[in-house]
Amino acid sequence: DIQMTQSPSFLSASVGDRVTINCKASQNINKYLNWYQQKLGEAPKRLIYNTNNLQTGIPSRFSGSGSGTDYTLTISSLQPEDFATYFCLQHNSFPLTFGSGTKLEIK
Amino acid sequence: QVQLTESGPGLVHPSETLSLTCTVSGFSLTGYSVYWVRQPSGKGLEWMGRMRYNGDTSYNSALKSRLSISRDTSKNQVFLKMNSLQTDDTGTYYCTRNSGYGAFDYWGQGVMVTVSS
Repeated sequence: DIQMTQSPSFLSASVGDRVTINCKASQNINKYLNWYQQKLGEAPKRLIYNTNNLQTGIPSRFSGSGSGTDYTLTISSLQPEDFATYFCLQHNSFPLTFGSGTKLEIK
Repeated sequence: QVQLTESGPGLVHPSETLSLTCTVSGFSLTGYSVYWVRQPSGKGLEWMGRMRYNGDTSYNSALKSRLSISRDTSKNQVFLKMNSLQTDDTGTYYCTRNSGYGAFDYWGQGVMVTVSS
């Protein structure tokens, strides 16, 4: 199974900050990496698919990059509604596996 | 619009069988695959298994011996049954649609399941 190591687990930031969240795969996942946002009691929302493709309707302050085993989600200027939990998903091979999540909190 | 809604009992006793339903709208089960994902309490997300658009199923090997997924296309429903539940199966269970390109595009909001006597 491919292990996804996500960092940091917790992130404290202010409105307007630029933040990055990372996922490292235990082997090459060929850019089959998605990013999701989850708020308490809500369905997860896909932000980015296949490393750098912005989901329709998601603001352009969200972006993704990476290749091979290393991937990054960047939020260029945090907005109040961005404080949530973020997780990555590799869908290069079965079983599909997830990062452990990053809780983004207001400083 | 696309929606997925999980339903099932909130409480299951140890050693019993969990039965969950995912009711979908806005798309056809013969056109998209539906997956089950869970998050045991205090742990990360885990892919459980899938019902493919053509009726085939596959399962996470870690759960395969306990898990069964089926569907009723006329009712737009996908079913999950998992037997021999233990307390570490407590958590939130989700169904999600596979868009084909880019994996899971829509999710249900999840159903909380507690395994307790």
